[in-house]
Amino acid sequence: EAGVAQSPRYKIIEKRQSVAFWCNPISGHATLYWYQQILGQGPKLLIQFQNNGVVDDSQLPKDRFSAERLKGVDSTLKIQPAKLEDSAVYLCASSRQGASYGYTFGSGTRLTVV
Amino acid sequence: GESVGLHLPTLSVQEGDNSIINCAYSNSASDYFIWYKQESGKGPQFIIDIRSNMDKRQGQRVTVLLNKTVKHLSLQIAATQPGDSAVYFCAETSGSNYQLIWGAGTKLIIKP
Repeated sequence: EAGVAQSPRYKIIEKRQSVAFWCNPISGHATLYWYQQILGQGPKLLIQFQNNGVVDDSQLPKDRFSAERLKGVDSTLKIQPAKLEDSAVYLCASSRQGASYGYTFGSGTRLTVV
Repeated sequence: GESVGLHLPTLSVQEGDNSIINCAYSNSASDYFIWYKQESGKGPQFIIDIRSNMDKRQGQRVTVLLNKTVKHLSLQIAATQPGDSAVYFCAETSGSNYQLIWGAGTKLIIKP
């Protein structure tokens, strides 16, 4: 099966600019996650979707981050305005509904804010 | 708060030797543990998992050991190869929303 697709692979922006990331999960995976991974650390969950509904966004900095999954398939994560500390890899993962196993991750988008 | 952490940030082993990567967890209610491998520029890749009703599980060249008494998890890689070079993360699930709690990672370096 095809993996989780993410784009772009790399992005460099200036602080206070906006940026958006896109994720296409594995077909049939109802659950979609966005993670932020700072170099040398484990991934930090930002938001979890179940189909097109939000399950958990408690760690999403909502003053600047937003995410949507309108049709329960693709998802976008946006940062507006970006700060220097947002420099990280943004990972998208998907899994079957109700499964903690079978997580599949995309290759991520590496964001550098200068 | 609840956390999953690793004892060693970097592990250097000779090619062909066995590698042991350790992980401590603090939530005694966690019932599912996973090891991931992350190569440079890639997302984490599932290696092996174990449920709390088990203390050992074997895969191809990898073994995970779970000691619930001391809340310790380890990943053993047999006959380490250059392709095993990566950062290894342990993760646990806690709660009913199937979210993972991650450790900081151990970088495995293979010496020729």
